[in-house]
Amino acid sequence: SQQGEEDPQALSIQEGENATMNCSYKTSINNLQWYRQNSGRGLVHLILIRSNEREKHSGRLRVTLDTSKKSSSLLITASRAADTASYFCATPRNSGYSTLTFGKGTMLLVSP
Amino acid sequence: DVKVTQSSRYLVKRTGEKVFLECVQDMDHENMFWYRQDPGLGLRLIYFSYDVKMKEKGDIPEGYSVSREKKERFSLILESASTNQTSMYLCASRPKLVQETQYFGPGTRLLVL
Repeated sequence: SQQGEEDPQALSIQEGENATMNCSYKTSINNLQWYRQNSGRGLVHLILIRSNEREKHSGRLRVTLDTSKKSSSLLITASRAADTASYFCATPRNSGYSTLTFGKGTMLLVSP
Repeated sequence: DVKVTQSSRYLVKRTGEKVFLECVQDMDHENMFWYRQDPGLGLRLIYFSYDVKMKEKGDIPEGYSVSREKKERFSLILESASTNQTSMYLCASRPKLVQETQYFGPGTRLLVL
């Protein structure tokens, strides 16, 4: 079953606007990761936030984690056309091998 | 930079053929993974390997097998390809540490006719 679920499924904005994507998960985690996938390509890791962190920044990316609500958000500020991609959250599985479970993703379209 | 390569970007095979998808990573990572990605279903884990000659089933192993004879190479095998295995296949690798990220290859888009 899916651990992380992104919301919205799709988001369309203009260049320069901010984009916010949310991820909800079901069980306790020790970290949460966000990945980006350009059309027809592999996933690229963006940022990892640990369970004892509430907020983390990387360039124009801001990630928050609320463990009490079991949710995370990814904010992309001052978006660019090149940010057009699908964004996935990923959480560790509760197994001995620590594999990841990925959500179904949010498809972001940034128009010039 | 970590590099994960996959043998083909696009592949067209016929039903019943045996298909090999190869993945190679150059960072001496212990863990390697095979996923398939389908619209509306996201990424689903097929198999993973945490060491040479070791393998574990993921969520959807039926119809697939894997081979890891060398640390850098992880192969996904479709013993007898079927049309429902038409998909995007993604390979990933990761160091042993629990909280490390996964590094993905560019993907292989497989069409089974």
